[in-house]
Amino acid sequence: EAQVTQNPRYLITVTGKKLTVTCSQNMNHEYMSWYRQDPGLGLRQIYYSMNVEVTDKGDVPEGYKVSRKEKRNFPLILESPSPNQTSLYFCATRINLVTEAFFGQGTRLTVV
Amino acid sequence: AQSVSQHNHHVILSEAASLELGCNYSYGGTVNLFWYVQYPGQHLQLLLKYFSGDPLVKGIKGFEAEFIKSKFSFNLRKPSVQWSDTAEYFCAVGGSNYKLTFGKGTLLTVNP
Repeated sequence: EAQVTQNPRYLITVTGKKLTVTCSQNMNHEYMSWYRQDPGLGLRQIYYSMNVEVTDKGDVPEGYKVSRKEKRNFPLILESPSPNQTSLYFCATRINLVTEAFFGQGTRLTVV
Repeated sequence: AQSVSQHNHHVILSEAASLELGCNYSYGGTVNLFWYVQYPGQHLQLLLKYFSGDPLVKGIKGFEAEFIKSKFSFNLRKPSVQWSDTAEYFCAVGGSNYKLTFGKGTLLTVNP
């Protein structure tokens, strides 16, 4: 079954404690990205990757890091989380630039 | 830069009423257009997509959308909504830069 898997689904952490949200896909898609969803703001792109070792900033990259060492994985790293990063995070993949995005189940992060 | 504007923040309808959700986009080149639905507590799922050809596209669950190039619009329609259509709906535009930009979403509440 084609899947985009995020872990964890829920996370409560404290300010400043480094965390990683993992994203893995089994569809061999080249393009992966991370979004955050906040009420009234829709989805905003954090980072994206067009292929292994190729990443670039989206619209709201501050406070986040990513890496793409292998095609199937695209982890999101928060080196020093702050309360304003409390949000719902989605990983998404696309075959190429003219196809739709497939989303993971989401990770609800709370930073206290 | 590309952008998406969804006109309605919250739409409330009764069952069997007709639905039209507005979406306007801004992009200087060839666009790919999408509508996604997000049921409460779930991830985004694709309703329909437009790449080229017939500007009237049909999607799942009886939804359709019409691409009007001259108006930069891609409005979502459904002739008769059901209680189960209660969800948040997102319009998205993709360009030639791998970027998928989402609108802020329209919350649809269907009262039985």
